[in-house]
Amino acid sequence: AQTVTQSQPEMSVQEAETVTLSCTYDTSESDYYLFWYKQPPSRQMILVIRQEAYKQQNATENRFSVNFQKAAKSFSLKISDSQLGDAAMYFCAYRRGGGADGLTFGKGTHLIIQP
Amino acid sequence: DTAVSQTPKYLVTQMGNDKSIKCEQNLGHDTMYWYKQDSKKFLKIMFSYNNKELIINETVPNRFSPKSPDKAHLNLHINSLELGDSAVYFCASNRREETQYFGPGTRLLVL
Repeated sequence: AQTVTQSQPEMSVQEAETVTLSCTYDTSESDYYLFWYKQPPSRQMILVIRQEAYKQQNATENRFSVNFQKAAKSFSLKISDSQLGDAAMYFCAYRRGGGADGLTFGKGTHLIIQP
Repeated sequence: DTAVSQTPKYLVTQMGNDKSIKCEQNLGHDTMYWYKQDSKKFLKIMFSYNNKELIINETVPNRFSPKSPDKAHLNLHINSLELGDSAVYFCASNRREETQYFGPGTRLLVL
């Protein structure tokens, strides 16, 4: 079975600084997708970034970028120029390619932005 | 332009009751899901459903059942509610290989 591990229950960063959230996963599949979702206090699940396993290039979305290390099964999220609105729970998630599998989530990292 | 909607947003009920949560998506997606988020914020898949297959997480009690009247709807029925069913339930959908989009969640409180 696939597992996703987020080893940082909570992280704190100063506004405008950069922070990196860690995620590792375990799978025997070769075709899969990785995601970071953000959940603010409103509890809405918001997609931050997505990475296809077959792509070597790291995904980037504005201030958000990932460091995808396929051999090490690592998928960290870097947030640059942190803003107060970035404060939220961040979940790393895995999904096998093909089929109708749901997402397997990590336990989440609570990100605090210090003004 | 709500993409994935759920009703109700809040549900308070007594132990032993039967309740339903409705989910609708207007994105033309072919696969829908239900997730449970517990009090520690852990999210776990309950069901995946498209017009060909239903995948049930084996840890889900059979008091929970998904019902899909059509491709745009996947409702969650819960029989004989228990205190431990209190959680936030999320519906989600996607087209195969594409990103899942989530509904706003339904907070269920069983008294």
